[in-house]
Amino acid sequence: GQQLNQSPQSMFIQEGEDVSMNCTSSSIFNTWLWYKQDPGEGPVLLIALYKAGELTSNGRLTAQFGITRKDSFLNISASIPSDVGIYFCAGQWIRNTGKLIFGQGTTLQVKP
Amino acid sequence: DARVTQTPRHKVTEMGQEVTMRCQPILGHNTVFWYRQTMMQGLELLAYFRNRAPLDDSGMPKDRFSAEMPDATLATLKIQPSEPRDSAVYFCASGPGQGMREQYFGPGTRLTVT
Repeated sequence: GQQLNQSPQSMFIQEGEDVSMNCTSSSIFNTWLWYKQDPGEGPVLLIALYKAGELTSNGRLTAQFGITRKDSFLNISASIPSDVGIYFCAGQWIRNTGKLIFGQGTTLQVKP
Repeated sequence: DARVTQTPRHKVTEMGQEVTMRCQPILGHNTVFWYRQTMMQGLELLAYFRNRAPLDDSGMPKDRFSAEMPDATLATLKIQPSEPRDSAVYFCASGPGQGMREQYFGPGTRLTVT
């Protein structure tokens, strides 16, 4: 079956530092999504990517759809305490079915 | 601000009891998903619907789980009988359009089966 490897599993950084996390897949995806989950809440969509090579920003967040279509990364610049949470990548491998495959998540902690 | 809503937010029940979780998708969204989240397995897709019709429930234990959409504003996930291994957070998500790519999650129902 399809698998997503998300790394790192966890990060502990100082406020103001930049953060980078990535996901790799054993299969080609048509769509990559990045979500953030706060404790006790559902995942919130941050960025959606639809084309290989696409680079998209949302405030301090930037994500890219890898050229091979098997990977994606998410960068957070100038981290702040409210960036704390679990970040998930998700890939969709067949258009129109809607089924997403999720990574295991990256837990981010930010020290003020 | 349109959101997916889920009830109840928390449910504690004894093994063998029936559990029903409800979801109201975002108005206008025609695709609804049910996920289960555990520490060990992460987010797993249980079932999904498009235009109220079930498209895939292969992720769901068929003998005890059932999912339905009685109407466009309500999706239900039922477990009967519940078991301790069903303890998890259950999320509903909805998405717009036929070529749907984005999914918007509800706050989840935390289920504990003792």
